[in-house]
Amino acid sequence: DAGVIQSPRHEVTEMGQEVTLRCKPISGHDYLFWYRQTMMRGLELLIYFNNNVPIDDSGMPEDRFSAKMPNASFSTLKIQPSEPRDSAVYFCASRPRDRALEAFFGQGTRLTVV
Amino acid sequence: GDSVTQMEGPVTLSEEAFLTINCTYTATGYPSLFWYVQYPGEGLQLLLKATKADDKGSNKGFEATYRKETTSFHLEKGSVQVSDSAVYFCALSADSWGKLQFGAGTQVVVTP
Repeated sequence: DAGVIQSPRHEVTEMGQEVTLRCKPISGHDYLFWYRQTMMRGLELLIYFNNNVPIDDSGMPEDRFSAKMPNASFSTLKIQPSEPRDSAVYFCASRPRDRALEAFFGQGTRLTVV
Repeated sequence: GDSVTQMEGPVTLSEEAFLTINCTYTATGYPSLFWYVQYPGEGLQLLLKATKADDKGSNKGFEATYRKETTSFHLEKGSVQVSDSAVYFCALSADSWGKLQFGAGTQVVVTP
């Protein structure tokens, strides 16, 4: 398996623009997580899905953030409108059903909002 | 709530030195514990894990033992290499969903 695939790897956008980050989890994994990494706050959980259903989005910072998982092989994280403070590295991770097994992370998307 | 505390970095070492990164946690129940490593420009990779008290996780010369009595999961390596230079994250998972609570990360720099 190719692992968790995120795109794009880097995104530079202007303040106010819409940004969409994409994630393809590992096939057969039931859980998908979106994390954000910043210098100030470290790694934060934004939202997670189980079998394509959002379970908890309490980590989403504002209504400007939304996430979807239309099918088992694809998820998006959208920011509209984007702001400079959204600049961060966004990671997607997926995990199998067996709780004893670990989560696998994608390479991340480095977002810069100017 | 659950939390993970790990020693601040950066930790700078010479090659072949002994490495210890302290990690303590607060959690209800019996969490699983993990060490993830992040190399520059890369995502997080699982280094090792332990799912119950007294378990020892090991990988690539790194070890950590789940100590319930001290709520700790310290990472050790007996002889580091330059290629071990990275940021190391201690994390716990305390629920059935498997969501991770991370420590702040410790940067390790190994010099030749």
